[in-house]
Amino acid sequence: NAGVTQTPKFQVLKTGQSMTLQCAQDMNHNSMYWYRQDPGMGLRLIYYSASEGTTDKGEVPNGYNVSRLNKREFSLRLESAAPSQTSVYFCASINRGSETQYFGPGTRLLVL
Amino acid sequence: AQTVTQSQPEMSVQEAETVTLSCTYDTSESDYYLFWYKQPPSRQMILVIRQEAYKQQNATENRFSVNFQKAAKSFSLKISDSQLGDAAMYFCAYYTYNTDKLIFGTGTRLQVFP
Repeated sequence: NAGVTQTPKFQVLKTGQSMTLQCAQDMNHNSMYWYRQDPGMGLRLIYYSASEGTTDKGEVPNGYNVSRLNKREFSLRLESAAPSQTSVYFCASINRGSETQYFGPGTRLLVL
Repeated sequence: AQTVTQSQPEMSVQEAETVTLSCTYDTSESDYYLFWYKQPPSRQMILVIRQEAYKQQNATENRFSVNFQKAAKSFSLKISDSQLGDAAMYFCAYYTYNTDKLIFGTGTRLQVFP
């Protein structure tokens, strides 16, 4: 099992460019999450998806959109990147029963 | 609103010694889960230990144990026999079914000296 995978690992964008961060999990989990991590802060929830076809806003959703393509995949899109979106982005899925979230390796995004 | 507070931005410990990282949380829920995650320089978030609020017994995982004080809303992590590989950021986190969200503290950076 690969667990939670994310692509790309690192990306540099110019202000105004768009991109999609990909996330996939092979653990058959229903719920998936997108977080961002900034220096000196914990992880903050951007969006989450409780099941295929549903998505909900988290704490910091502005400037982002998400798509739950199927049970395995949950993508995060930046339509017009801004320097304030420079961050490390983590995807996670949750194991029901233990309520434990498992995280991908992260994507480091730099917006110039 | 639920919040998680880690009041120690940095801690240090000598190799083979014991260190305790503090975490407090605020909630009105009675059923929830608490976690400690480790984030080494690789940035991977690694689960260290979890505690179910309805269980009075403190969780233990090898050299890692917690002191869960439900009434005081405190959840500290004790690392025994510290190793150089324990050096990392440690995040305390809280989860409840009602919100279906994991709320993180701001983290404690642990340094381990030989």
